[in-house]
Amino acid sequence: EAGVVQSPRYKIIEKKQPVAFWCNPISGHNTLYWYRQNLGQGPELLIRYENEEAVDDSQLPKDRFSAERLKGVDSTLKIQPAELGDSAVYLCASSLGGVGGYTFGSGTRLTVV
Amino acid sequence: KQEVTQIPAALSVPEGENLVLNCSFTDSAIYNLQWFRQDPGKGLTSLLLIQSSQREQTSGRLNASLDKSSGRSTLYIAASQPGDSATYLCAVRLGGQGGSEKLVFGKGTKLTVNP
Repeated sequence: EAGVVQSPRYKIIEKKQPVAFWCNPISGHNTLYWYRQNLGQGPELLIRYENEEAVDDSQLPKDRFSAERLKGVDSTLKIQPAELGDSAVYLCASSLGGVGGYTFGSGTRLTVV
Repeated sequence: KQEVTQIPAALSVPEGENLVLNCSFTDSAIYNLQWFRQDPGKGLTSLLLIQSSQREQTSGRLNASLDKSSGRSTLYIAASQPGDSATYLCAVRLGGQGGSEKLVFGKGTKLTVNP
């Protein structure tokens, strides 16, 4: 089975520029998550989707971050405009829900200069 | 607020040693606990998942235990190899269907196994 696919793997942008990350979850996984991992820290949840509905976006900085999950499959996370402090690894994960485990993608390493 | 702590932050051992990584959490109301491995610049690879009703899980040279009442988990790695060098992350799952379901992570233990 294909795992969680993310692109791009790396992105370097200048501050104030926009950037977008894409995620394709495991087929059949209705729950999709975006996490952010700062250097030397554990990942922290940004947003959780159940199908196409964002059911927990309380940690998403809504002034500059947005996300969508059209048709309840692929998801895109966008930052506009990016700030230096947004440099981090952005991880997408999916699960079957319930008390199952999470499967993470390879992540996108964002560097804002 | 759930907090997850991993000790030690870094560990260096010679090849062949058995070792234990520790994870503690402050709130025992968890649904499960998952151990992940993260190689430099890579995503997270799931190693073991322990449900709240379970005491331990084993996969190959790895054994993870869970004591929910005391808020502790350990990851035991037998006969360590240089290929085991990575950062190991512990995460507890809060909530269930709906609600504020999410994983809360520790900061990880960076393991180096020297040939």
